[in-house]
This record gives sequence, structure tokens and C-alpha cells, in this order.
Amino acid sequence: EAGVAQSPRYKIIEKRQSVAFWCNPISGHATLYWYQQILGQGPKLLIQFQNNGVVDDSQLPKDRFSAERLKGVDSTLKIQPAKLEDSAVYLCASSVMAGWTEAFFGQGTRLTVV
Amino acid sequence: KNEVEQSPQNLTAQEGEFITINCSYSVGISALHWLQQHPGGGIVSLFMLSSGKKKHGRLIATINIQEKHSSLHITASHPRDSAVYICAVNFGNEKLTFGTGTRLTIIP
Repeated sequence: EAGVAQSPRYKIIEKRQSVAFWCNPISGHATLYWYQQILGQGPKLLIQFQNNGVVDDSQLPKDRFSAERLKGVDSTLKIQPAKLEDSAVYLCASSVMAGWTEAFFGQGTRLTVV
Repeated sequence: KNEVEQSPQNLTAQEGEFITINCSYSVGISALHWLQQHPGGGIVSLFMLSSGKKKHGRLIATINIQEKHSSLHITASHPRDSAVYICAVNFGNEKLTFGTGTRLTIIP
């Protein structure tokens, strides 16, 4: 079974630039999560999709972050414009259904904003 | 407030030692997960528990619902076990709340 795919693995950008991350969840998984993990901290949920609808985006900084999941499969997370404090690992995860019957994570994208 | 606390934050041990990592949480839960994160950033799910004990190879996870506490044990530790181990909890809703992780280093 293929895992959760994310790209790119690493990205370095200057502050005020834009960046986009891509996630392809496990086939058939209805729920998709984007997490932000700052160095030394546990992952923080940014947004949760159920199919192509947003279930929870309460911790997404909507002035600069956006995410979409067209057709309920792949998802993109965008930051525009980036700030220094956005430097983190961005993790995508998927599950068969909401409620975390089992956790499947991607390898993450390490973003460095300089 | 729904909280998850892990201890220790950092743990260094010699190869072969028995390792214990602890996780405590504040209120009742529906499930607890132990996750392993290697330096590259990817996370692997080790266990999901709602009661009792689970074992997989040299890894053992236990949970005490009454005491709101879980432990992850590693027997005969090996340098390849070096990673960050994260406890994550479902507080009865769809969100996972994560601990800050325990950084384990096993020295040959």
C-alpha cells in the first residue's frame, strides 16, 4: 500500500515570498490533515478536510495560509507571504475516516524562511 | 483543558538498556497513539491504544485509563531506535492532541 506522499521534501525561501506544498493521501482515505511542527514542539493541526470540505481550520492563520483539496483527493497548502516564524516541518496525514482509527503521515516538508 | 504531557524530554541511554517513555493526559480519552519521528521528519504510527497493552517486536505500549497514563517501553535498545517518540491523544473528538515528544538517543 502506497503511503502519504508529500513534496517538496525541503524548501528554502526568503520572507515575504510565497510557497506551496502538495500532499497525495492514501487512496480511499476521506480525511486529510495538515500539521505544522515547529522545532522542539509537537505537531499542531492547521486544517482538516473531510473529502473536499473543511472540517476544522480554527488554527490556520487565514491571513497568509490557504489550503484546498479539490476533488477530495490531493491537497495543497500555500503560504503567502511567508514570515520567519513559518519555518517548520509541514506534515500531511490521512485516515480512512475522521476520528483517527489509525495515523498515516507523510514524510513532511521542511520549510526554512530566511 | 485537554493536555498531553510527556517525560522525559530527552533521554540518552547505552545500547541494550530498557527504555521507558511516559505520557500523561488531563481528561478522558477515546484513543492514545504512540508515534515515532526520525530526523528527516516523517512520522510512523507505532501503536494505537484504548486500553491494556500492545506489543510489537521490542516495543511495548501500556495504558492505564484510571490513572490517565501511558508508557512506551523499548527492550534491548539499539542505536536505530534513536528518534523522537510522540504521544498523541483523541479527547473524544476528531482532533489529535500531541505531546512535545521525547528525543531518544541510544549510544553504541
